[in-house]
Amino acid sequence: GQNIDQPTEMTATEGAIVQINCTYQTSGFNGLFWYQQHAGEAPTFLSYNVLDGLEEKGRFSSFLSRSKGYSYLLLKELQMKDSASYLCAVRDKGNSGYSTLTFGKGTMLLVSP
Amino acid sequence: DGGITQSPKYLFRKEGQNVTLSCEQNLNHDAMYWYRQDPGQGLRLIYYSQIVNDFQKGDIAEGYSVSREKKESFPLTVTSAQKNPTAFYLCASSIFGTSELDATYNEQFFGPGTRLTVL
Repeated sequence: GQNIDQPTEMTATEGAIVQINCTYQTSGFNGLFWYQQHAGEAPTFLSYNVLDGLEEKGRFSSFLSRSKGYSYLLLKELQMKDSASYLCAVRDKGNSGYSTLTFGKGTMLLVSP
Repeated sequence: DGGITQSPKYLFRKEGQNVTLSCEQNLNHDAMYWYRQDPGQGLRLIYYSQIVNDFQKGDIAEGYSVSREKKESFPLTVTSAQKNPTAFYLCASSIFGTSELDATYNEQFFGPGTRLTVL
């Protein structure tokens, strides 16, 4: 089985930087994804990590430490439109040979003026 | 334009009725997935399929059934055996790749979702 933990809610100010943490326990780690989901909409892909280190993509960066079972998503220069839920998802190799994603419960980020 | 479609966006049914949610994709993806999302619960995997005519149970398959007769389509039936069917249902698809270093390997693309309410 898998266990994925991330904070339920976070608040930040427009223009600031925020870090959303995710810790996981899994039997067959094979990659970690971050998705953004606005209320009532589908999740959209933000980033992917499979090797240790930092992946940067514009205002968004994601970090992974496989030995610690830890990842974070860093959002810079926050904008009001960044108010959304951020989902951490871990890919597991699986015994059947098929990989599936297990999602955390999501972190609701509220950006205020 | 390529993408995933789910219809309808809102669906109402009476308790005890079976209901089928549609999911169609024209991305030529091999794998398709069904998730359920409840407030504060994140996404939970119901069923998934990696190839036509084959599918696997996810974490919460009880009360649900699927079919995969065509690559493009993966309909989900919510049966009367599902105790709490009211939820937001999301369909997703992905390629079936082999490179762990490639983000497109198992990156899942989601449809707009169907919000099912059972009265």
